Amino acid sequence: RKEVEQDPGPFNVPEGATVAFNCTYSNSASQSFFWYRQDCRKEPKLLMSVYSSGNEDGRFTAQLNRASQYISLLIRDSKLSDSATYLCVVNRYSSASKIIFGSGTRLSIRP
Amino acid sequence: EPEVTQTPSHQVTQMGQEVILRCVPISNHLYFYWYRQILGQKVEFLVSFYNNEISEKSEIFDDQFSVERPDGSNFTLKIRSTKLEDSAMYFCASGSGSTGSGGYTFGSGTRLTVV
Repeated sequence: RKEVEQDPGPFNVPEGATVAFNCTYSNSASQSFFWYRQDCRKEPKLLMSVYSSGNEDGRFTAQLNRASQYISLLIRDSKLSDSATYLCVVNRYSSASKIIFGSGTRLSIRP
Repeated sequence: EPEVTQTPSHQVTQMGQEVILRCVPISNHLYFYWYRQILGQKVEFLVSFYNNEISEKSEIFDDQFSVERPDGSNFTLKIRSTKLEDSAMYFCASGSGSTGSGGYTFGSGTRLTVV
């Protein structure tokens, strides 16, 4: 089983739509969780950290369910500029350890 | 905003040659990483570095690979004898060590092409 699993998509949705991505992780000892965004041929950039209580940043909402080992990202009122690959990222043990990337979910927003 | 700088942005090398990829991490960060991404595939962990030594490495990081932080600022990845399958984007990242802050900043990458 992969350590971090995501639906690869692609998701193709109209501008203004709400879209949700899911991610599961296999290691119950995982400590920290993030969503990164990667544009084509660019480096991954941190979108947001994910906390147990859930957190929101503008149009973006992230949720963590430790019992089910499941992370989600919701994008409301999607914009053309949201088109990218969204990477679910997990830190296994501590701040010093590596972060593990999911294979990413491609999102394409159409006008 | 502080950034991680990588050079060169693109390197073309012949199979069997040695390459050195360079990175300047964010100055007050303590943890350093190399990742690679083969075109169309996921971002894969290679190695992490802390306190002037490797703290963790993946199966990909075999004897052909080495890392150094020779002068306290640059962080380099050396591939001793490149193979065609080493062609990928190589990302350097640095971290502040603050758990949960997402304190990992990635450089813009070096695209390595082995011919």
